[in-house]
Amino acid sequence: DVKVTQSSRYLVKRTGEKVFLECVQDMDHENMFWYRQDPGLGLRLIYFSYDVKMKEKGDIPEGYSVSREKKERFSLILESASTNQTSMYLCASRDRATGFHYGYTFGSGTRLTVV
Amino acid sequence: GQNIDQPTEMTATEGAIVQINCTYQTSGFNGLFWYQQHAGEAPTFLSYNVLDGLEEKGRFSSFLSRSKGYSYLLLKELQMKDSASYLCAVRDIGDTGRRALTFGSGTRLQVQP
Repeated sequence: DVKVTQSSRYLVKRTGEKVFLECVQDMDHENMFWYRQDPGLGLRLIYFSYDVKMKEKGDIPEGYSVSREKKERFSLILESASTNQTSMYLCASRDRATGFHYGYTFGSGTRLTVV
Repeated sequence: GQNIDQPTEMTATEGAIVQINCTYQTSGFNGLFWYQQHAGEAPTFLSYNVLDGLEEKGRFSSFLSRSKGYSYLLLKELQMKDSASYLCAVRDIGDTGRRALTFGSGTRLQVQP
C-alpha cells in the first residue's frame, strides 16, 4: 500500500513562528499536493508539485511556501504563522500514470493550532 | 474557476439507501471523484467517473451526467460504519491546465440504527 506520512498529527505554534509541515511518500509518486481543510469550506489547494524542484501555486498560496528537494518529500512552510492559519493540513500524492483514475492518496493530516 | 455544491448534512437509517448529490461548474471537465472521510482521518478514494453513466462498486455506485454538471453517490444497505463525510472532487484542466482536484465542502452522513 502507498503510504503518505505527515510528520506531526498535532502542532501548536505561536503567532509569528516559522512552521514546517513535512510530508513523505514511499511509492515514487511524481505529483504531491498540500491542502487545508476547514469546516464549511472543504479542502482548498495551497500548493502542488508535479516533480522534484517543481512547484505551482494553488488557490490559496498566500502566507505559505513549499520545498520539494527530493521526490519523496514535500514540505509546507508557514513563513510567519498567523491565527487564521489554524487548520487541518492534508498532504496527498498521486502517481502520474495510475493517478488519473485513482486520484490521490492522502496522509492522515496535521492539525495546526496557532496561538 | 469552479463551483462544487453538495448538501452539508444528511441522515439515513441502517439498511436503507441514500443518495448524495453533487453539482459542479467547470470550464474543462476531466473527471469526478468521490472520497470518504471518517472523522479525524484521511480521505480515502471511493470512485471515479469521467464518462456519463453509472459506475458500480459493491454497495457504492456513482453516477455522472456531464451535460447537467451533476453526479451522485449511491450507498446501499447502509451500515453504521458508513457514517462519515463524503467529498465530491472535480478535475478541471480548462482554466490553468493544472491537474489538481477541486473539492466540494463535503456531505456529513449520519447513519442511525
